Amino acid sequence: DVKVTQSSRYLVKRTGEKVFLECVQDMDHENMFWYRQDPGLGLRLIYFSYDVKMKEKGDIPEGYSVSREKKERFSLILESASTNQTSMYLCASSPSRGQPYGYTFGSGTRLTVV
Amino acid sequence: AQTVTQSQPEMSVQEAETVTLSCTYDTSENNYYLFWYKQPPSRQMILVIRQEAYKQQNATENRFSVNFQKAAKSFSLKISDSQLGDTAMYFCAFMNSNSGYALNFGKGTSLLVTP
Repeated sequence: DVKVTQSSRYLVKRTGEKVFLECVQDMDHENMFWYRQDPGLGLRLIYFSYDVKMKEKGDIPEGYSVSREKKERFSLILESASTNQTSMYLCASSPSRGQPYGYTFGSGTRLTVV
Repeated sequence: AQTVTQSQPEMSVQEAETVTLSCTYDTSENNYYLFWYKQPPSRQMILVIRQEAYKQQNATENRFSVNFQKAAKSFSLKISDSQLGDTAMYFCAFMNSNSGYALNFGKGTSLLVTP
């Protein structure tokens, strides 16, 4: 069964900490995505990547960076966490750039910044 | 960025009844894809149904069907014979080549199915 795994289901961090959210997929997908989900705002795209070492800004990249050193792993980095980054973070992957189907989501990481 | 609008933040329906969730979108492109996703309390996003813009026929998946009106840029989801397990957040999403085949989501509709 295809899978996208997010390393933590719940995470509590302090303001100013550097935070890493990890996502791993086992489907050999080329594309990986990070979304942020907030009540009343839906899912908003933070960053995505088509290939190793490549990244593209989404709609709300401010305050975030990403790393993709290996095809199966896509990390979201909060350089200095702030309380307004308290949210649910969802990772997803899809087969390839021109392929509109096969999106698979992780189960989300609920991050609280105190 | 393309805009996806879900105008119903919350809806409620009785078990076995039919409910329709609304979605409109804004694009100047002719080729695109539309999706409805379900997110139950488990948080797992589940694809409910998809529609290719070049297809005139409305997509159907068991109790779920869509009313795709391309000229009106409308993509509503109809759930027939609602079941308690349909209780979830429902998100409408848009995708095309201009978005890099990234899904662009609406704000969601919270659906409650009551006994």
